[in-house]
Amino acid sequence: DTAVSQTPKYLVTQMGNDKSIKCEQNLGHDTMYWYKQDSKKFLKIMFSYNNKELIINETVPNRFSPKSPDKAHLNLHINSLELGDSAVYFCASSPEGSGELFFGEGSRLTVL
Amino acid sequence: GEDVEQSLFLSVREGDSSVINCTYTDSSSTYLYWYKQEPGAGLQLLTYIFSNMDMKQDQRLTVLLNKKDKHLSLRIADTQTGDSAIYFCAESWGSGGYNKLIFGAGTRLAVHP
Repeated sequence: DTAVSQTPKYLVTQMGNDKSIKCEQNLGHDTMYWYKQDSKKFLKIMFSYNNKELIINETVPNRFSPKSPDKAHLNLHINSLELGDSAVYFCASSPEGSGELFFGEGSRLTVL
Repeated sequence: GEDVEQSLFLSVREGDSSVINCTYTDSSSTYLYWYKQEPGAGLQLLTYIFSNMDMKQDQRLTVLLNKKDKHLSLRIADTQTGDSAIYFCAESWGSGGYNKLIFGAGTRLAVHP
């Protein structure tokens, strides 16, 4: 049983397209996150939700829109993809207020 | 500002000790963390230390914390080839129960025979 699962694992698309990445956790955690890891392995938080409510929204372009239909799911939709969006996107979850994050395996997005 | 710094590479011989260093910025961080990322995988929590501790030992891992210098280190004893990975230091920023983890750039550990 995968604790935090993301789909798709790989995504190759053209500039200007719109794409979504889905994430689900079966750990019963209240908090979920999206992190972006660039080609140099630098990891930066994008969003955090607690019980379906947005609590952290870093300086991320409006083209990125997270959605949490319930506390076990956090999806990421990206409009008008740009070359610079190419990265590995990691979903993670944690108990509320905890720094112990459980990460998914990542979704590698390549924009051509 | 939020900034966690680490050296990018470390190469050690199998059986030797590895020491990975990190400096952080938020002196009010309650916990500091070490995460490990193996190739093609997400990060996994390796260990953490409470800010009022100087040292924490967990089997082959020893974490040292110098709060005055905001310096954190991870020592891996008897390093094995399976320890080859990227190691991320992280500090917790925020308040009101909603914290975010700020990660360093990661130290790539290569273990050779």
